[in-house]
Amino acid sequence: SQQGEEDPQALSIQEGENATMNCSYKTSINNLQWYRQNSGRGLVHLILIRSNEREKHSGRLRVTLDTSKKSSSLLITASRAADTASYFCATEANTGNQFYFGTGTSLTVIP
Amino acid sequence: EPEVTQTPSHQVTQMGQEVILRCVPISNHLYFYWYRQILGQKVEFLVSFYNNEISEKSEIFDDQFSVERPDGSNFTLKIRSTKLEDSAMYFCASWSSYWNEQFFGPGTRLTVL
Repeated sequence: SQQGEEDPQALSIQEGENATMNCSYKTSINNLQWYRQNSGRGLVHLILIRSNEREKHSGRLRVTLDTSKKSSSLLITASRAADTASYFCATEANTGNQFYFGTGTSLTVIP
Repeated sequence: EPEVTQTPSHQVTQMGQEVILRCVPISNHLYFYWYRQILGQKVEFLVSFYNNEISEKSEIFDDQFSVERPDGSNFTLKIRSTKLEDSAMYFCASWSSYWNEQFFGPGTRLTVL
C-alpha cells in the first residue's frame, strides 16, 4: 500500500513552541503534500513538495523530503492556538493519478 | 478565489437507498476526485476522473459506486444501495496542473440509518 503514516499520532505543545510532524510512505512518488483539517471540516492544502526537492518553506511552515528514506517532515514554527488541527500528508503515486493520505497527526497548541 | 463546492452539506438516508452527492469543481480544472473519511479515520481515495472517464479507482470503489460529469460543471458520486458502513464524510477535489495543487470541497456528511 502506498498509504503514508504520520507520527506522532497526537502532539500537544505550548503556544510559541515549534511542532514537528513526520510522514513515511512506501513506494515512489511524484510529490508529497501536507494538509490541515480542523475538526469536522474540510481539508486545506498547506504545501506541496516535489520528489526532486528536499526542502520547502511557506510562511511558518517548513517541509523536508527524504526520498531515500521515504519520509517527510512538517515543521510549524512559533505555533499559535489557531494551528490546532489534524495534519495529514498525502502522496501522489508516480504510477497513476491518485493520492493517498496518511493517518494524520492531531496537534493541540495550548495558549 | 475559486473554490470547490459540494451539496448537500449533510445527507441522511435509509440503508438500501440510492444517494447522489454533488460537486462543482473549479472551472478549467481537468482532474476530479472523490475521497471519503469515516469518522475518526484517515481520508481514503475513492476515484479519480479525467477526460470524462475514470482514471484510477481504489478497492473501496466497487460496483455500488459510480461517478459522472453530467454537464460542464457538476461532478457526481452515486451510491446505488447504501450500507451502514457508507456513513462518512465525502470530499470532492479538483486538481490544477498549473498550480500543482489539489483543491478540496467542504465535504458532504452522509449518514446511513
